[in-house]
Amino acid sequence: EVQLVQSGVEVKKPGESLKISCQGSGYNFVSYWIAWVRQTPGEGLEWMGIIYPDDSDTRYSPSFQGQVSISADKSITTAYLKLSSLKASDTATYYCVRFGVGYCDPTTCSLEPFDIWGQGTMVIVSP
Amino acid sequence: DIQMTQSPSTLFASVGDSVTITCRASQGISNRLAWYQQKPGKAPKLLIYKASTLESGVPSRFSGSGSGTDFTLTISYLQPDDFATYYCQQYHRYATFGQGTKVEVK
Repeated sequence: EVQLVQSGVEVKKPGESLKISCQGSGYNFVSYWIAWVRQTPGEGLEWMGIIYPDDSDTRYSPSFQGQVSISADKSITTAYLKLSSLKASDTATYYCVRFGVGYCDPTTCSLEPFDIWGQGTMVIVSP
Repeated sequence: DIQMTQSPSTLFASVGDSVTITCRASQGISNRLAWYQQKPGKAPKLLIYKASTLESGVPSRFSGSGSGTDFTLTISYLQPDDFATYYCQQYHRYATFGQGTKVEVK
């Protein structure tokens, strides 16, 4: 079965950091991109960034550039999302998603639909 | 950035109804448009891609159409399992989601 399994619920204080993991299985992990998507009641679904695990080519949404860090370890078929200097507004559910190979040039990417989603990681940031 | 405007935000319907959700892109995206269904506490699920191609395993009562900037998702003969929130997404340049349409029981 093709699946992405994410790490569990996180409760953090403002200013702290955290790293969410997403382990892929049932498919060739290095042949698909991974995206991170944030969901909040106010902003809905927002893509944060993408990574190609084979060569770690990483792109960030301008809305999240500098605020998050995405990485991958293909030896353990796992992608990561690091959030630093957490604020209350980072309270959200974070999803990793798989998508097929799209086209990327230095300035933009044309993606493929997000066909496999992790179960989501709820992050609560509270004093 | 490409903006996606989805309407309505809420839709009230009964089992057996046919419902239509619309999505408009701020610029042309060809047919690079997907629709997702999300139920409470669950991740979104891909229903349709390339504007009109049904994902494997998705019932044929779901259909999509459109190209360029205007797209629709139609659910024919609504079933109890279809009450959920639906999102459109452009993937022509990176990704942008619509605000969502919640289909509720009338």
